[in-house]
Amino acid sequence: SQKIEQNSEALNIQEGKTATLTCNYTNYSPAYLQWYRQDPGRGPVFLLLIRENEKEKRKERLKVTFDTTLKQSLFHITASQPADSATYLCGENRDDKIIFGKGTRLHILP
Amino acid sequence: DADVTQTPRNRITKTGKRIMLECSQTKGHDRMYWYRQDPGLGLRLIYYSFDVKDINKGEISDGYSVSRQAQAKFSLSLESAIPNQTALYFCATSEEGPPGANVLTFGAGSRLTVL
Repeated sequence: SQKIEQNSEALNIQEGKTATLTCNYTNYSPAYLQWYRQDPGRGPVFLLLIRENEKEKRKERLKVTFDTTLKQSLFHITASQPADSATYLCGENRDDKIIFGKGTRLHILP
Repeated sequence: DADVTQTPRNRITKTGKRIMLECSQTKGHDRMYWYRQDPGLGLRLIYYSFDVKDINKGEISDGYSVSRQAQAKFSLSLESAIPNQTALYFCATSEEGPPGANVLTFGAGSRLTVL
């Protein structure tokens, strides 16, 4: 079956370092991947979208890559700050509905 | 005011009761969605609607029903609530964009507890 997976449930990163989160997909090739941020008790907020023919997308300190050979998207936060602590969700568009991975809780340690 | 408003924000109810969660939006989007979120299971799609006359089941529609009363309103009902429907529920909207590129705008969530 088609799956989208975020392998790390939680990730601790020292402030100032680059945080890298992984999203893997199996048994299919999504045309688009989306990344969202979710703070406790709040709804997810869209961050970035990347198409399969784009290798990389950037927005300020955020960078997303899409590797169709590895069937993987990586989400990077450079110069991480405690305020970046949140859950990050990857999602893919399947027949015009967004299906999400389980998310990765990122903790940036001061 | 929020673009996507969910009511109630918190609700505690008993097994067997009928519950309605309401969602309204000012984005002018045609597409609306209901998700539930459980610890360790992530966001799962319950129902979605691409316009007022369109209703579609998602991954986990059993035990739920929806009504699209207008372009701006999409409500989720639990006809007879059970404890395993205790979860955080999110409404979301999107516009009809290029295939695959529709981005979701979420509400703040409705926390439902079924005792």
